[in-house]
Parts: sequence; C-alpha cells; structure tokens
Amino acid sequence: DIVMTQSPDSLAVSLGERATINCKSSQSVLYSTNSKNYLAWYQQKPGQPPKLLIYWASTRKAGVPDRFSGSGSGTDFTLTISSLQAEDVAVYYCQHYYSPPPWTFGQGTKVEIK
Amino acid sequence: EVQLVESGGGLVKPGGSLRLSCAASGFTFSHYSMNWVRQAPGKGLQWVSSIISSSEYIYYADSVKGRFTISRDDAKNSLYLQMNSLRAEDSAVYYCARAGSSWEYYFDYWGPGTLVTVSS
Repeated sequence: DIVMTQSPDSLAVSLGERATINCKSSQSVLYSTNSKNYLAWYQQKPGQPPKLLIYWASTRKAGVPDRFSGSGSGTDFTLTISSLQAEDVAVYYCQHYYSPPPWTFGQGTKVEIK
Repeated sequence: EVQLVESGGGLVKPGGSLRLSCAASGFTFSHYSMNWVRQAPGKGLQWVSSIISSSEYIYYADSVKGRFTISRDDAKNSLYLQMNSLRAEDSAVYYCARAGSSWEYYFDYWGPGTLVTVSS
C-alpha cells in the first residue's frame, strides 16, 4: 500500500502570509503513460465533510480560490495557500488515487491563525 | 447542483449489522464511480470501498473486506453499504463521495456523512 505522509502536523500562520503543506508518498504516483500525478488535496472544516481543492496534483477545482495551489511530482507534493484568510482555518489532507487501491490519505495538517 | 445525502447510521452492538444508503441528485449517477470514506471521531480519513459506474469492479479496504458489501441502484440514484459483523473500530462518520469519473478516484463531491457507533 502507498503510505502518504504530511508535514507538518500543524502550523500557525499570520493572516495574509503564506502557508505551505508538504505531502510525501511512499512510492511514485506519477503514471508514465499519461504523465499525470494521481494526487489530490482536500480541505475539511470542523463539523463539515471534506472538500476537494486540487486534483492531478495541480488542477484547481472550479470555484476554489486561486490562492490555493498545488505542485510537485512523483513522490513529493506541496499545497500552498499564498495569502492565508480567516476562512482557510481547517485540516488539509492529501490523497493518492494511483491504482490499484487502497487509496490512502495523509494524516492531515491543521492550519491555524497565528 | 450535485447533492449526496447519507442515511442509515446509528448505534449498533458489536457483531451487529447496519445498512447505509446514499441518495444522489444533480448529476447522471450511472456515469460515475461511487465511494464510501469514513472518519473515526477526531481521526483522519480512511477510504472504505468503491464501485465503478457499471458495477463491474468493486474494491474494498482490507479492514472491511468480507464484512462490508457495496452496491448501487442506478434506477434509484442510490448507493448502499451493507455492514455486517461490526466492530468497535468501525465506529466513524461514513461519507458517500463521488469519484471524478469512472476511473479517476479523487472525490469531488461528498455528503454530510452519517454516524455509525458500534458499542455494547
């Protein structure tokens, strides 16, 4: 099974500052046939279900603010919030969807306001 | 607007059974693979099971294989999870989630979840 490891477990960032979350997979999730990274990012606020932010490692879902961006390839990925807003306080998860299953999630990174 | 609404959760004794349902609307249900993902209280997300749009392929996490059965009724736009031989460690909020397509298992829409508590 592919193990997803996020770092840090939590971080506190001032409003308007950059937040960076890392995600490392235990094996590559880059599919050579189509050159796509099978990696997604989710945001989960307290008491709510997760929301998809980014898929294919860097494709933003429609309606997601452009301050959220994803990067990386192979085994190392990053979610960046360019200018943290109060409404971005949440737990963020990465997930691989490289076949075959199981499709696993990182342990989560809690983002708070400093 | 895509909507997913789970139901069927509740309190059940260890060894008992429960059937979860997910009612879908706002999209052509039969065209998408569907999934169950769970989250134990205060914990992270765990993928449980997936069923491809044609029901030709079904996948389970090892932790539920042989005990849980996923199914779908495209005529009713509904997804199901039959859970048998329940254990305390199955206690969680169970989310129904739509896959990005038949073959791309990122989860682009989620229901609000239904809570399953396994306790004597």
